[in-house]
Amino acid sequence: EPEVTQTPSHQVTQMGQEVILRCVPISNHLYFYWYRQILGQKVEFLVSFYNNEISEKSEIFDDQFSVERPDGSNFTLKIRSTKLEDSAMYFCASSRSAAGGGEQYFGPGTRLTVT
Amino acid sequence: GQQVMQIPQYQHVQEGEDFTTYCNSSTTLSNIQWYKQRPGGHPVFLIQLVKSGEVKKQKRLTFQFGEAKKNSSLHITATQTTDVGTYFCAGLRYTGNQFYFGTGTSLTVIP
Repeated sequence: EPEVTQTPSHQVTQMGQEVILRCVPISNHLYFYWYRQILGQKVEFLVSFYNNEISEKSEIFDDQFSVERPDGSNFTLKIRSTKLEDSAMYFCASSRSAAGGGEQYFGPGTRLTVT
Repeated sequence: GQQVMQIPQYQHVQEGEDFTTYCNSSTTLSNIQWYKQRPGGHPVFLIQLVKSGEVKKQKRLTFQFGEAKKNSSLHITATQTTDVGTYFCAGLRYTGNQFYFGTGTSLTVIP
């Protein structure tokens, strides 16, 4: 069964450093998402991406965040200057259709630790 | 802002007992999805409800969407240890394209 993959599984970085989290969505999916989950808390939407552009972003997704689909398979989340409060699990998800119409397949996540 | 609350936050049940989690939105929703997240795992899609008053069943799981499309519930009959995890609802408003996840209900099943 096809699945979303994410790398790395765990990233440790120092405050102020840039990090890039990588995702490979399911190949025939058209909609891509990033979520974050602080330990023990709920899943929070960051951004959705369709047709090579951001379709929606939350208040969390400020100027420090950016997303890219550099080629036909990868989908990346960049945090330019990490803060301690960016420590969380980051999940990538993809769906075949728009959010209103289809299930989202989540990747296993990248645990980001900012020290 | 959009708020999606779930109760209870935690639930411990004996294996074989029933379990229900309730999801309440501050605004009317276009549709709602339910996800299960095992400890240390990622959210896994369970179901999507779209119509007012809709009821869907998956084996021992029953999902309901309220008439006003502002609340939903997930009921598990005769829980098993494999049901352990956190259950999240996620609501979609009529405007926009983001799902607002609920606060989650963590289910522990005691064998």
